[in-house]
Amino acid sequence: NAGVTQTPKFQVLKTGQSMTLQCAQDMNHEYMSWYRQDPGMGLRLIHYSVGAGITDQGEVPNGYNVSRSTTEDFPLRLLSAAPSQTSVYFCASQGHNGELFFGEGSRLTVL
Amino acid sequence: KQEVTQIPAALSVPEGENLVLNCSFTDSAIYNLQWFRQDPGKGLTSLLLIQSSQREQTSGRLNASLDKSSGRSTLYIAASQPGDSATYLCAVFAVTGYSTLTFGKGTMLLVSP
Repeated sequence: NAGVTQTPKFQVLKTGQSMTLQCAQDMNHEYMSWYRQDPGMGLRLIHYSVGAGITDQGEVPNGYNVSRSTTEDFPLRLLSAAPSQTSVYFCASQGHNGELFFGEGSRLTVL
Repeated sequence: KQEVTQIPAALSVPEGENLVLNCSFTDSAIYNLQWFRQDPGKGLTSLLLIQSSQREQTSGRLNASLDKSSGRSTLYIAASQPGDSATYLCAVFAVTGYSTLTFGKGTMLLVSP
């Protein structure tokens, strides 16, 4: 019973590099979302999707892109990494009763 | 804009105590409220989900209540154990759309043996 799977768990980038954080869920949930968690700031919504082919911006979308080609996958792309994007990133999916399920997180450091 | 506040920010108790964690929110037009546990370096684990039409939910030693009119939820932990040490977060999902899930900043709980 995998739930929500995120890869990689850890990543170090140099400023200006690009990368993709992967997220996959096996619960057939329509709603998926990406958050970043920073000390003192709590969890903030980056992007979300209510189904394949549909995405929208959250509270802090700048510097990030998403796409949703399948129900299972919701990758988050950093186009040109900046030190301000050093954070822990969480992917979540939502069940039909509204319950959220989170991945284990991806810890990103941008030098 | 919905604001979610959790008090206290940190709590230290001896093993065996019953304790209450508080979550308050400013907009009572909510879809549901969810309590999570987060261990250091880990993701969020769902503890209890309360729909807007419900007043409380129970799971084992945990009981969560919801009072929409006052904008408050409490998480009651009975007979606390060292394994309960973690950060507890509440999240409120507003009725206005999927972008409106708002998290509190959490209560860091330490239960000492």
